[in-house]
Amino acid sequence: EPEVTQTPSHQVTQMGQEVILRCVPISNHLYFYWYRQILGQKVEFLVSFYNNEISEKSEIFDDQFSVERPDGSNFTLKIRSTKLEDSAMYFCASILWGREAFFGQGTRLTVV
Amino acid sequence: AQTVTQSQPEMSVQEAETVTLSCTYDTSESDYYLFWYKQPPSRQMILVIRQEAYKQQNATENRFSVNFQKAAKSFSLKISDSQLGDAAMYFCAYRRGSTNKLIFGTGTLLAVQP
Repeated sequence: EPEVTQTPSHQVTQMGQEVILRCVPISNHLYFYWYRQILGQKVEFLVSFYNNEISEKSEIFDDQFSVERPDGSNFTLKIRSTKLEDSAMYFCASILWGREAFFGQGTRLTVV
Repeated sequence: AQTVTQSQPEMSVQEAETVTLSCTYDTSESDYYLFWYKQPPSRQMILVIRQEAYKQQNATENRFSVNFQKAAKSFSLKISDSQLGDAAMYFCAYRRGSTNKLIFGTGTLLAVQP
C-alpha cells in the first residue's frame, strides 16, 4: 500500500538554527500539506501546496517558514530560524483531489 | 469560520463493549466532508472513516460507524466490540468541499480496559 514517508522521525536543533523537514508524498497525489501538532494539542493546518505553489497558508505560516518541491518527489518544510515554540510534531499529508488525506508518520521537532 | 468541537477529552471503554465519541461542527457550507482519524501512541494519523455531507446514509467501516446528523451538525463515532488496539487519540475533522484543508477538533483520548 502506498504511503507518505517523512524524514527524520526526530530532529533536535538549537534555537535560531535552520531545519528542513522532508516528505515523500504518494506518487500520483497532487496536493500536499503540512500540519503541526504541539504536544497535547490539536492538529493545526500550516500550508497547502499545489502545482508548485502555495495554494493556502495559515497565520502560523509566517516568513520563517517556506515549502518547496525541489525534484518532483520530495516536499520540504523549512524553518529558517527556529524558536522554542516551534517544538512540535510536524505531519506531511498528500491527497488525490476529493479523496481523503494520507498522513506521514510525522517528524518530532525539538528546539532547545 | 468553520470549527470542530470534541467535548470529551477522555473516554474509557471495556474490551468488547461499545463506545461513542462525540463531535460537533459549525459551518455554513453545504458541500463538505467529515472524517475521524486515529492517532495511536506512534503518533501517526490514520483515517478511520469518512462521511460525505450529501450522503444521508451513515458511513460504516467494519466495527466503526458514524451517526451523522446534518441538521444538528453532529458527527459521532461508534466503536463496537472494542479492542485493546483501539486505544488511541481520536480526532474529528472537517473539510470544505472546495478545499482539501482539514480542520481538526481537539481530540478524545480513548482508553480500552481489558
